[in-house]
Amino acid sequence: GDSVTQMEGPVTLSEEAFLTINCTYTATGYPSLFWYVQYPGEGLQLLLKATKADDKGSNKGFEATYRKETTSFHLEKGSVQVSDSAVYFCALSDQGAQKLVFGQGTRLTINP
Amino acid sequence: DGGITQSPKYLFRKEGQNVTLSCEQNLNHDAMYWYRQDPGQGLRLIYYSQIVNDFQKGDIAEGYSVSREKKESFPLTVTSAQKNPTAFYLCASSPTVDSNQPQHFGDGTRLSIL
Repeated sequence: GDSVTQMEGPVTLSEEAFLTINCTYTATGYPSLFWYVQYPGEGLQLLLKATKADDKGSNKGFEATYRKETTSFHLEKGSVQVSDSAVYFCALSDQGAQKLVFGQGTRLTINP
Repeated sequence: DGGITQSPKYLFRKEGQNVTLSCEQNLNHDAMYWYRQDPGQGLRLIYYSQIVNDFQKGDIAEGYSVSREKKESFPLTVTSAQKNPTAFYLCASSPTVDSNQPQHFGDGTRLSIL
């Protein structure tokens, strides 16, 4: 079945550091890919998405490129801020499926 | 502002008791979902509904029940048959179940056992 594997956390960085959170997936079809962010005590918010190979999703300085050849959708940001501290989830939705499949989440902490 | 409202934010259940979690959306979305989140894990789908008066089991439906009598509302009942109900429950909606469309989430209900 479909699955998503994320880089294990927690990840701790200093402010203005470069961020990469790895995400790889297994899917039977041609899925859409998403990154969601969860701040403490809240629900998930969509951060960015990509619906086909080579698409790049971007939002708030975060980027991720849909790489079909490596089945990956790594999240990157050039300069992180303290306010980026949260849990990040990679997810996929396969064609014809009625659900999102989530990775286990990566907790990110940014120190001043 | 349009969005999803979950209530209550915190809920406590006694042994043998059923409890109902509320989820209301004013986004005019057809599809609604319930997920369970456990510490250090991703979200797992409990139930989903594509349209009023229709719903389908997700991956972990045992011990839960839902109804979809109105487009705006998708309450989840955690029954006494659910032996490990302590978790964070998230409701979501999307315009349809099209795989390209992202889901919008509420702020969750944290359920604990007394």
